[in-house]
Amino acid sequence: GQNIDQPTEMTATEGAIVQINCTYQTSGFNGLFWYQQHAGEAPTFLSYNVLDGLEEKGRFSSFLSRSKVYSYLLLKELQMKDSASYLCAVTPGGYNKLIFGAGTRLAVHP
Amino acid sequence: GAVVSQHPSWVICKSGTSVKIECRSLDFQATTMFWYRQFPKQSLMLMATSNEGSKATYEQGVEKDKFLINHASLTLSTLTVTSAHPEDSSFYICSVPTSDNNEQFFGPGTRLTVL
Repeated sequence: GQNIDQPTEMTATEGAIVQINCTYQTSGFNGLFWYQQHAGEAPTFLSYNVLDGLEEKGRFSSFLSRSKVYSYLLLKELQMKDSASYLCAVTPGGYNKLIFGAGTRLAVHP
Repeated sequence: GAVVSQHPSWVICKSGTSVKIECRSLDFQATTMFWYRQFPKQSLMLMATSNEGSKATYEQGVEKDKFLINHASLTLSTLTVTSAHPEDSSFYICSVPTSDNNEQFFGPGTRLTVL
């Protein structure tokens, strides 16, 4: 079966760094995505990893280890507007449909 | 990136009626579109893959006769919720994949409330 695990909730302080972990078990692997979703809105794309290693994009970085079937999203210099759900998703292969994890609700407080 | 619109953005209907939701790719031709459903405080669940010119592919547990999908052109896919019931109340989101398969662009979503 397909399973993607990530923590349900996290809290962090403005200006700090937070790491959101994701482990996956899927029938195939053609890439891992991170999306940000604010309440009542559609997800917005943050990152895509298909090879092992770290992808950095501004305050956000994403890491992938295919051997450990593990990824993390790193958010630096947290801002209040970063309070949102962060969704880890895997495309198992073929037609690039996405299998989503349950999402991690991040609350950033002053 | 691709711009994806959905219409309506929200709809309230009576139990037993049918509701049609449109997903348009405004600047990108899409032979494939995806339909997701999201219940409150839950993640997105893929319902079906909409294929231009052929039948949609439904995920396990999704009733194809209840959720009718029509991909009439390279820019339009429609999802019709037939004989809607309160348990169908949800946030319905479509997405359009890019040609290199490295990204998907999501529509703004349609919130359906069935009374």
